[in-house]
Amino acid sequence: AQSVTQLGSHVSVSEGALVLLRCNYSSSVPPYLFWYVQYPNQGLQLLLKYTTGATLVKGINGFEAEFKKSETSFHLTKPSAHMSDAAEYFCAVSTWLQGAQKLVFGQGTRLTINP
Amino acid sequence: KAGVTQTPRYLIKTRGQQVTLSCSPISGHRSVSWYQQTPGQGLQFLFEYFSETQRNKGNFPGRFSGRQFSNSRSEMNVSTLELGDSALYLCASSFLKLPGPNVYEQYFGPGTRLTVT
Repeated sequence: AQSVTQLGSHVSVSEGALVLLRCNYSSSVPPYLFWYVQYPNQGLQLLLKYTTGATLVKGINGFEAEFKKSETSFHLTKPSAHMSDAAEYFCAVSTWLQGAQKLVFGQGTRLTINP
Repeated sequence: KAGVTQTPRYLIKTRGQQVTLSCSPISGHRSVSWYQQTPGQGLQFLFEYFSETQRNKGNFPGRFSGRQFSNSRSEMNVSTLELGDSALYLCASSFLKLPGPNVYEQYFGPGTRLTVT
């Protein structure tokens, strides 16, 4: 069964510093991977996704992620953090049952930006 | 295009009661999924509907049920509420032409926060 592990439930960085949020997956088939962001009192917003092809995926708000099969990782990065990036981030992997897709999420990483 | 809407946004119920939550997907989206989010268990898949048929169900008791209407709007119902049902319930819709193992983006609504006292 597919699963996702996010390393670090809380990450704190200074404004302007590199953001690195870690995600490792377990999948018996080629995975389809997603990063979502959740701002307070809101739903989830898709940042980026990896399906096939280029392993470096660019998303919205300056985020990108690299799919590394050998490391079973899909870490999310942003070169320079902004105050507006403070939110909770979820890594997810697709799995299918009876032809229907469902997302399996990691436990989330809360990102705090220090001024 | 309007996003996914969920009503109500907040709800307070008493143990033993039942509750119905509503989700209106993005226009043209025929697949609707429901997720439960709690601090302890995180985000967990409840069920998915496509063309009024439940195609996939998560590991939740039978008290949790849902349905989808011909206009793709969906409702989920929880009967005999327990304290542990307090959660944020998220609905997500997807544009899917044909059923099958396709990868499609799920667009989430703002959620309904249910508090059971």
